[in-house]
Amino acid sequence: KQEVTQIPAALSVPEGENLVLNCSFTDSAIYNLQWFRQDPGKGLTSLLLIQSSQREQTSGRLNASLDKSSGRSTLYIAASQPGDSATYLCAVHNDYKLSFGAGTTVTVRA
Amino acid sequence: DVKVTQSSRYLVKRTGEKVFLECVQDMDHENMFWYRQDPGLGLRLIYFSYDVKMKEKGDIPEGYSVSREKKERFSLILESASTNQTSMYLCASSPGARQGTGYTFGSGTRLTVV
Repeated sequence: KQEVTQIPAALSVPEGENLVLNCSFTDSAIYNLQWFRQDPGKGLTSLLLIQSSQREQTSGRLNASLDKSSGRSTLYIAASQPGDSATYLCAVHNDYKLSFGAGTTVTVRA
Repeated sequence: DVKVTQSSRYLVKRTGEKVFLECVQDMDHENMFWYRQDPGLGLRLIYFSYDVKMKEKGDIPEGYSVSREKKERFSLILESASTNQTSMYLCASSPGARQGTGYTFGSGTRLTVV
């Protein structure tokens, strides 16, 4: 069974600092890995999708890397802003299933 | 803008009631999913469907059933609601589970069973 772990569970940084969020998974036979953002009481918004053949994906201030062989992905958020405060979820796609980590809750202080 | 729409944001139901949660997607996706999200337990897969009239159990199907009569609509049914089914329910769709494509989620339904 795929196990997905996200570290740290929570993170508080001052505005402008770069954020580094980590995700690890136990089964490297994945189709892709997806990073989501969730605001309190809301649904999930997709941020980045990395195919299993890719090493990284970028969108604006966001960059995600994937090392499938070691079972790791990292989400980098450059120059954080208070609007980046949310919970970030890593999800790994095996077969028909998407397995989620517990998330990292980020607070960016103004 | 493509969407997954869940019909209710908030629902309050009584114990023993039959509850229907509706989800509609406008992306012509083959696959649809129902998850529940609970503090400390994360997201857990209840049921999924990879084609019309097809359904597969996820990790926690007990107490739930589903219906997919049309490609765009996937319904989650709580046959007899219980207080331990109080949760956030999230619907998702994807164009092809074996094609390495991403999932799109709805806004969620917060269900409270009293």
